[in-house]
Amino acid sequence: GESVGLHLPTLSVQEGDNSIINCAYSNSASDYFIWYKQESGKGPQFIIDIRSNMDKRQGQRVTVLLNKTVKHLSLQIAATQPGDSAVYFCAENMGTDKLIFGTGTRLQVFP
Amino acid sequence: DADVTQTPRNRITKTGKRIMLECSQTKGHDRMYWYRQDPGLGLRLIYYSFDVKDINKGEISDGYSVSRQAQAKFSLSLESAIPNQTALYFCATSDLSGTGTGELFFGEGSRLTVL
Repeated sequence: GESVGLHLPTLSVQEGDNSIINCAYSNSASDYFIWYKQESGKGPQFIIDIRSNMDKRQGQRVTVLLNKTVKHLSLQIAATQPGDSAVYFCAENMGTDKLIFGTGTRLQVFP
Repeated sequence: DADVTQTPRNRITKTGKRIMLECSQTKGHDRMYWYRQDPGLGLRLIYYSFDVKDINKGEISDGYSVSRQAQAKFSLSLESAIPNQTALYFCATSDLSGTGTGELFFGEGSRLTVL
């Protein structure tokens, strides 16, 4: 069946380094993708989104890259900070406003 | 105050008991959702509602029911709780807008333990 998944369950990075979190999706009909951040004890929060007619979008310290050829999505966090420690989810919207979530990647930032 | 409020935040119950999780929102959004989160499985959609008269099953609706009492309220019920329904439950809302962005706004979660 269709699925959204992540390559790495846990990513450890040193404070100040850049982080790259990857996501694979299998539904070629998906036209909208979102990255969410979930801190411990809280609900997921929107980080950045991208439509399928784009291949890159930048926010504040974050960049999302979309490669439709290989159905791959990545979230890049520049100058990772301790406050970036969280679980990150990618989600795809197949045009029905129902989001399908991946399993999540835990980002650990160490000094 | 939170825009999406869930009650209770934590609940421990026994097998066979009826449980209701409540969600209220002040965002004025038409669309409301209930998700379940289990370790290693991400978030899975249980039920969703696009307006007060609309209720739709999600991926894992068996064993659950919902009620959309008003635009601002969407409750999730477990008629007879079982241990494998132990999980973290999230309510979410989204805006029915022309952009159709699909961004969801989540509550803080309700942790349910079924013994």
